[in-house]
This record gives sequence, structure tokens and C-alpha cells, in this order.
Amino acid sequence: GEDVEQSLFLSVREGDSSVINCTYTDSSSTYLYWYKQEPGAGLQLLTYIFSNMDMKQDQRLTVLLNKKDKHLSLRIADTQTGDSAIYFCAESSGSARQLTFGSGTQLTVLP
Amino acid sequence: SAVISQKPSRDICQRGTSLTIQCQVDSQVTMMFWYRQQPGQSLTLIATANQGSEATYESGFVIDKFPISRPNLTFSTLTVSNMSPEDSSIYLCSVVSLAGFNDEQFFGPGTRLTVL
Repeated sequence: GEDVEQSLFLSVREGDSSVINCTYTDSSSTYLYWYKQEPGAGLQLLTYIFSNMDMKQDQRLTVLLNKKDKHLSLRIADTQTGDSAIYFCAESSGSARQLTFGSGTQLTVLP
Repeated sequence: SAVISQKPSRDICQRGTSLTIQCQVDSQVTMMFWYRQQPGQSLTLIATANQGSEATYESGFVIDKFPISRPNLTFSTLTVSNMSPEDSSIYLCSVVSLAGFNDEQFFGPGTRLTVL
């Protein structure tokens, strides 16, 4: 079945850029998503990218997709303490829209 | 984006009892899903809630344990039946909205369930 993998932890200094990486196995993935989960909260959709794109930028967020390597990354520019959270990547394929999630990356922003 | 509410937000239940979780959306949606997030884990899809028909369950989840209803385009319920401590999780509904871009999938705030 589909598999989505992420590293578990990332620490950065406030003001630096954060890069969270994700790999997936399903070559038929059509949409790839990034969600943010703060402690005790639900999931917030940050951004998503269609598989025929290789980059999407939205304010401080940049998503890069390497479809050949099945590699997705989320770059957060000028990382702030409020960005500390768990970041999940997820993929869906076809019209079914069911999501397969990675394990989540705990981002810690150090002052 | 769609605004999704869930009730209850949290509950503590006794082993062997059942709990019904409600998911309400402020706009008509095409698809509704139920996910489970076990403590410290990622999210796993339980089922797709189909309007007016039986839900479609993922491997490892069955209707007797997790009956689901979806009477219309904006509302769904998930029941966790005959609970055991292993059912302690956050249960989240998600939707694909008709109103927005249908590539966007939004999540409710979740229901945090603890089974004693």
C-alpha cells in the first residue's frame, strides 16, 4: 500500500529557515498536502500541491515537489516560535481523496 | 474554507460503553471522512461517510465497531462501540468542500476520547 515517511524531529533557531522533508511511494499520487497540528488542536491545512506542479509559494511557505524521486518538502522562511508544531505531509490519489499521512515532524523553534 | 464542528470535544468513558461523535459542516460538502489519531501517532483513515448509504471502511475497521451515518451533505456521526482502552484516541472528521477548491481537505477540531 501507500507509504509516506517523514523525519520525526527538527530544531531551528528563530529567524532561520526550516525545511521539512517527506517521501512517498505511490506514483499515482495526485495531491500532496501539508498540515500543521499545534498541541491539543486539530489539523490546519497549510498548503497543497498538485502533482503536475514542482513548486508552490504562499507567503513564508514554499513547497517543492520532485515527482521523479517522490520527494516533497516544506520550507518555512523566517521561522517564528509560533511555528513550533507537528507538521504532517499527506498524499491522495485519484478522485477518492482519502489521505495517507506521514508520521509527522515535530518542529521546535529555539529562541 | 469550510467550518467544521465536532461534538463532544472530549469525553471520558467506561469500558464496554458506546459514544457517538457528531460532525457538522457549515456548507455542503462532497466527501466526509473519519480518521483516528492514537496517542503520539499519525492519522489513520477509518472510513468514508457516504450520503444515504453505508460507509466505506478501510482495512482493519468494521461497521459493527464503528457505525457511521451521513443523512445529508453537512452532517455525519461516528459511533465507537463497546469501547476498550485501546480506543482512546482523537477522532477527526474531514471534508472536501463544494464551496472551495475541491482539492482542499479540511479537518474538524477532533474529539479526544479516553476509555478507562
